[in-house]
Amino acid sequence: DGGITQSPKYLFRKEGQNVTLSCEQNLNHDAMYWYRQDPGQGLRLIYYSQIVNDFQKGDIAEGYSVSREKKESFPLTVTSAQKNPTAFYLCASSIDARHGSTYGYTFGSGTRLTVV
Amino acid sequence: AQKVTQAQTEISVVEKEDVTLDCVYETRDTTYYLFWYKQPPSGELVFLIRRNSFDEQNEISGRYSWNFQKSTSSFNFTITASQVVDSAVYFCALSEAYGGATNKLIFGTGTLLAVQP
Repeated sequence: DGGITQSPKYLFRKEGQNVTLSCEQNLNHDAMYWYRQDPGQGLRLIYYSQIVNDFQKGDIAEGYSVSREKKESFPLTVTSAQKNPTAFYLCASSIDARHGSTYGYTFGSGTRLTVV
Repeated sequence: AQKVTQAQTEISVVEKEDVTLDCVYETRDTTYYLFWYKQPPSGELVFLIRRNSFDEQNEISGRYSWNFQKSTSSFNFTITASQVVDSAVYFCALSEAYGGATNKLIFGTGTLLAVQP
């Protein structure tokens, strides 16, 4: 079955460490997105990518980095510069960026990151 | 600026009650899309419905129905005869376009629905 796989489901990080969250899709979608979810704040866009080797900052990109070397993969690195990284992170994809709003997004099951 | 407001943070109902989740949006676009997603405890957002701005017909899908009113910029979601399995966070979302190059979804803050047996 086609879908989005995020791993790991739970992740613990020590302060000052970088950590990378994995997102893989086999839907042949061009566009991919990373959202952060905090209680009471809904979903906030971190980064998005319309095509391989291209990505743009979202609303809260500071302290995060991404890469898009393959169409199927869009990993998110939470760097030590991110002051409050404890959150639930969701990856999503759409057929392409232009039509994402027409067909909606497909979401992964998320990664819960906790700083210890 | 585009914005989605879900004023109800939490709703608690008893099984078999009807419940309506409110969604109010703001946009300058004449063409836009509205969505509802369900987030069960497992975390994954599940697509429920999309509606374009030119189609104001209400829609019914089983126990779910949606009321789109452009005059009040609202896209409300009603669950009839609620069940415990309906317990989840529900998000309303609005598409956004920057010069037509990229469409992104703007999400509301979500409504936590708890259905008690």
